Amino acid sequence: NAGVTQTPKFQVLKTGQSMTLQCAQDMNHEYMSWYRQDPGMGLRLIHYSVGAGITDQGEVPNGYNVSRSTTEDFPLRLLSAAPSQTSVYFCASSIGFSGGTIYFGEGSWLTVV
Amino acid sequence: DAKTTQPTSMDCAEGRAANLPCNHSTISGNEYVYWYRQIHSQGPQYIIHGLKNNETNEMASLIITEDRKSSTLILPHATLRDTAVYYCIVRVTEYGNKLVFGAGTILRVKS
Repeated sequence: NAGVTQTPKFQVLKTGQSMTLQCAQDMNHEYMSWYRQDPGMGLRLIHYSVGAGITDQGEVPNGYNVSRSTTEDFPLRLLSAAPSQTSVYFCASSIGFSGGTIYFGEGSWLTVV
Repeated sequence: DAKTTQPTSMDCAEGRAANLPCNHSTISGNEYVYWYRQIHSQGPQYIIHGLKNNETNEMASLIITEDRKSSTLILPHATLRDTAVYYCIVRVTEYGNKLVFGAGTILRVKS
């Protein structure tokens, strides 16, 4: 049981480049989400999904796209990377969206130069 | 829009109980309180969560006041490996029930 798996773990991008952060979970969770963490701060929600085919914006969605074609996968796309998107990105999943345990991946460290 | 307030840092002697307080005075009746910890920017590790009643698991206990405006996380026998940033989090009903993180408490367990 791998839990929540994120790839890549580290990435350096040039300004204007695009890339996709991958997230997969093997727990058959309906709810998945992406957060970013800037230095010394708590996590902020970028996008979330309550099931396959359903996605919605979080509190800081600008510059990011998501899709949910399967229950297992929830990729995050950076459309045109900017230095302000330098951050650590965490994917999370839970079986529901009320009181259940939320599991986080190990993070993807992204630097935009 | 942080919904929680925690002390910036705390120290605890190894083997003693660590009591981490949290204020969440604006919490709504159906919003859960979660506790996570993070070590060296690894993925947040789940500790415990609750709604109204006190909760206990193999890692910790969560004590929630009757008015739900504050809670305390108790690590019964702290070890050096418990040194981490501890986040008290409210799971709000907006944005698909997102987690609202505050700044967290740096817990230093000392021998």
